[in-house]
Amino acid sequence: GIQVEQSPPDLILQEGANSTLRCNFSDSVNNLQWFHQNPWGQLINLFYIPSGTKQNGRLSATTVATERYSLLYISSSQTTDSGVYFCAGQDNYGQNFVFGPGTRLSVLP
Amino acid sequence: EPEVTQTPSHQVTQMGQEVILRCVPISNHLYFYWYRQILGQKVEFLVSFYNNEISEKSEIFDDQFSVERPDGSNFTLKIRSTKLEDSAMYFCASSVTGGSSGNTIYFGEGSWLTVV
Repeated sequence: GIQVEQSPPDLILQEGANSTLRCNFSDSVNNLQWFHQNPWGQLINLFYIPSGTKQNGRLSATTVATERYSLLYISSSQTTDSGVYFCAGQDNYGQNFVFGPGTRLSVLP
Repeated sequence: EPEVTQTPSHQVTQMGQEVILRCVPISNHLYFYWYRQILGQKVEFLVSFYNNEISEKSEIFDDQFSVERPDGSNFTLKIRSTKLEDSAMYFCASSVTGGSSGNTIYFGEGSWLTVV
């Protein structure tokens, strides 16, 4: 099956710092998305980013599909950015979205 | 913005009981999904549903589980004879298309199931 990996597994930042989260994925993964799981467990769509770069406020994402990785950038982090960040990709041959193991981000005041 | 809604948000059930988790997908979406997340672990695919039938399921989705679209808006997950290890957050999701390019999946807020 398809593989989705994320790094680092855990990240602790001081408020105001910047960070980069990485997602590596195997062949036959498309429709890559980034999600934020907040402390209440909700999965919030951040980006649909199969290729290229997108920005939304302090967050931006870049996917280089030919090299099978995606990066999520968080600038000027805030305590509300804390939670787990997941990337997920869809199998080319089915409907299953496969999630990575997540990066747990803690932003300290 | 349209959203996927789930009920209940939290349910506690006795081991061996049956539970039904309910979802209302986004109205123009055609593909529906259930995912599960055991506390502290990754989000796992259970099943996808299209055109009133299961289109794909994982090995987790055994005979204990079933899904149904009883009317034009609801999508349910039934878990029979619950076990302690079924305790998890269950997410419903929907998307416009299945596997084609441009497919974005949207998740509900989850139903937290505790089996005691």
